[in-house]
Amino acid sequence: AQSVTQPDIHITVSEGASLELRCNYSYGATPYLFWYVQSPGQGLQLLLKYFSGDTLVQGIKGFEAEFKRSQSSFNLRKPSVHWSDAAEYFCAVAVSGYSTLTFGKGTMLLVSP
Amino acid sequence: GAGVSQSPRYKVTKRGQDVALRCDPISGHVSLYWYRQALGQGPEFLTYFNYEAQQDKSGLPNDRFSAERPEGSISTLTIQRTEQRDSAMYRCASSSNPGQGSGELFFGEGSRLTVL
Repeated sequence: AQSVTQPDIHITVSEGASLELRCNYSYGATPYLFWYVQSPGQGLQLLLKYFSGDTLVQGIKGFEAEFKRSQSSFNLRKPSVHWSDAAEYFCAVAVSGYSTLTFGKGTMLLVSP
Repeated sequence: GAGVSQSPRYKVTKRGQDVALRCDPISGHVSLYWYRQALGQGPEFLTYFNYEAQQDKSGLPNDRFSAERPEGSISTLTIQRTEQRDSAMYRCASSSNPGQGSGELFFGEGSRLTVL
């Protein structure tokens, strides 16, 4: 079965600084990969997804992620963090369009002034 | 509706009581999913429906948990004889595409269940 690891439970970034959140997956083939964001009191919102093709995918709110097969990673990046980006971020994986979505445990992003 | 609506937002119950959690998906969405999220964890799949048909219930932890979506719209997740370990955030999501792997799931704000 597929699994997802988000090694960082918490990350603190200064406003305006760059951000990278790590995600590693375990699956024999190329999975479908996603990043979701959960703001306080809100439901999860899809930031971006990767199915195939270009390994650098652009998402909403200025986020991007890069799929690296050799490292089994799908790290989320943003060049300049805003205070409103403070939230919990979840990486997720599916092995096909009809399979179960498996989420990581999440990384809480704190933004300092 | 405009978004996925869940009720109640908060539910406190005593051990042994039954609870029903309701999900009203985005209008016209074919698929509806239930997830459970414990503190410090990511959402875990429970079950899902395409229209009124329950497609997969492999994530339901035991037979105290059941779900229905009788008219292919609103869904109810029922937990019978609640136990303290059932305390969690229960999240509902809907999608216009059948299958979770498409990824475009729209989540509600969740129902926080606390069993005393």
